[in-house]
Amino acid sequence: GDSVTQMEGPVTLSEEAFLTINCTYTATGYPSLFWYVQYPGEGLQLLLKATKADDKGSNKGFEATYRKETTSFHLEKGSVQVSDSAVYFCAPMDSSYKLIFGSGTRLLVRP
Amino acid sequence: DTGVSQDPRHKITKRGQNVTFRCDPISEHNRLYWYRQTLGQGPEFLTYFQNEAQLEKSRLLSDRFSAERPKGSFSTLEIQRTEQGDSAMYLCASSFWDSTNEKLFFGSGTQLSVL
Repeated sequence: GDSVTQMEGPVTLSEEAFLTINCTYTATGYPSLFWYVQYPGEGLQLLLKATKADDKGSNKGFEATYRKETTSFHLEKGSVQVSDSAVYFCAPMDSSYKLIFGSGTRLLVRP
Repeated sequence: DTGVSQDPRHKITKRGQNVTFRCDPISEHNRLYWYRQTLGQGPEFLTYFQNEAQLEKSRLLSDRFSAERPKGSFSTLEIQRTEQGDSAMYLCASSFWDSTNEKLFFGSGTQLSVL
């Protein structure tokens, strides 16, 4: 079945540092790919998505590019803020339109 | 649009008791999903409905679990004879699915603790 692997956390960065959270997946075909974020005490929120190869999803300064050849969808941000501290989940959507979540990567941004 | 609403937010129960959770999706959303999330893990798919039809159930959903969406609006998830291993956050999500829109909206979840 479809699966996803994320880099383990926590990832601890200083404010304004560059962020990369790696995500690779295995899937049948070419699924849409998503990043969801879970802030402390809150529900999951969609951060960004990409629906086909070479698409770049972006939102709130975060970006991720759909790389078909490496089956990856790495999340990046050029300059993180303390308010970005959260758990980030990579999730391909399988053929029946349900999300398959990774284990999540906790990001801690220090002032 | 008031978002996906789940009730209760927290539930503490004793092993062997039955519990029921409710999810109210965003109005007019035709798909409703249930996920389970344990500490430090990502959400795991349990089941989903399109309107009132339950289209898929995960192997995680043992015969102690049952979900319904009787009128294609709200949904309930019941766990019978709870076990300590059932302790988790139960998440509900909804979407308006028309083969082009794939965005799921999640509720804040129901945290279940089985003592």
